[in-house]
Amino acid sequence: DTAVSQTPKYLVTQMGNDKSIKCEQNLGHDTMYWYKQDSKKFLKIMFSYNNKELIINETVPNRFSPKSPDKAHLNLHINSLELGDSAVYFCASSQESHNGGIYGYTFGSGTRLTVV
Amino acid sequence: QKEVEQDPGPLSVPEGAIVSLNCTYSNSAFQYFMWYRQYSRKGPELLMYTYSSGNKEDGRFTAQVDKSSKYISLFIRDSQPSDSATYLCALVKAAGNKLTFGGGTRVLVKP
Repeated sequence: DTAVSQTPKYLVTQMGNDKSIKCEQNLGHDTMYWYKQDSKKFLKIMFSYNNKELIINETVPNRFSPKSPDKAHLNLHINSLELGDSAVYFCASSQESHNGGIYGYTFGSGTRLTVV
Repeated sequence: QKEVEQDPGPLSVPEGAIVSLNCTYSNSAFQYFMWYRQYSRKGPELLMYTYSSGNKEDGRFTAQVDKSSKYISLFIRDSQPSDSATYLCALVKAAGNKLTFGGGTRVLVKP
C-alpha cells in the first residue's frame, strides 16, 4: 500500500525519558513534515524536510530533534519528555508538481504520545 | 488573532441535509486551499484541493474559494452519518510550504 506510515501508534512513557517516533513514506514525495495536534485538536507544524534538508523549524523546544536519513524517512527524537509533550504527532509528505502546484499532503495515522 | 479562523461547532444536521462549512483567513499570501476530514483517532484525510477562486466539485463535495473576501467554504450534499467527523481547512502559501490549519469544525449527521 502506498502511504505514510508512522511507528509506534501509541507511546506511553514517563517524564524525563527520551523517545523516538519513526515515519516512512513510499509515495516518492520530496517533502516531509511533522505536525503536532494538541488536546484541542489544533494541528500545528513543527518541522519540514525537503530531500533530507531542514527547511521549516517552527518554535519548538530544542528537546525535539528531527532526522531525515533519506527523503523517504523522517524521524522525530524527543529528549527529556515533559507532561506538556502529550499530544498526537502526525507525519505528512507532499510533492511539488512540474507546473509549480502541489499535490499530496498525505498524513500518517498519528502517534499518540502520553507522558505520565 | 489566528491566521485561519474556523467555527469549532459542533454542527449537527439530519441525514440528507446539506452541510455548510467555512473558514476565513487574514493573509492574502495563501494560494492553495484544502479541506481535510478527520475521524476520531485517525489522521487527516484530504478531501478537496483548490488553487484559484471559484468552485470545485467532486461527488457530494463542493469547495468554494473567494480570495477577494479571504473566505473558503465546503459544502456536503446528501449528508450521511458516515460524514460525521471533524473537518479542517488548511491553507498553503507556496509549494513545499507548511499547511496552516483552521481549528476544525466537528460535524454530526444524525440518522
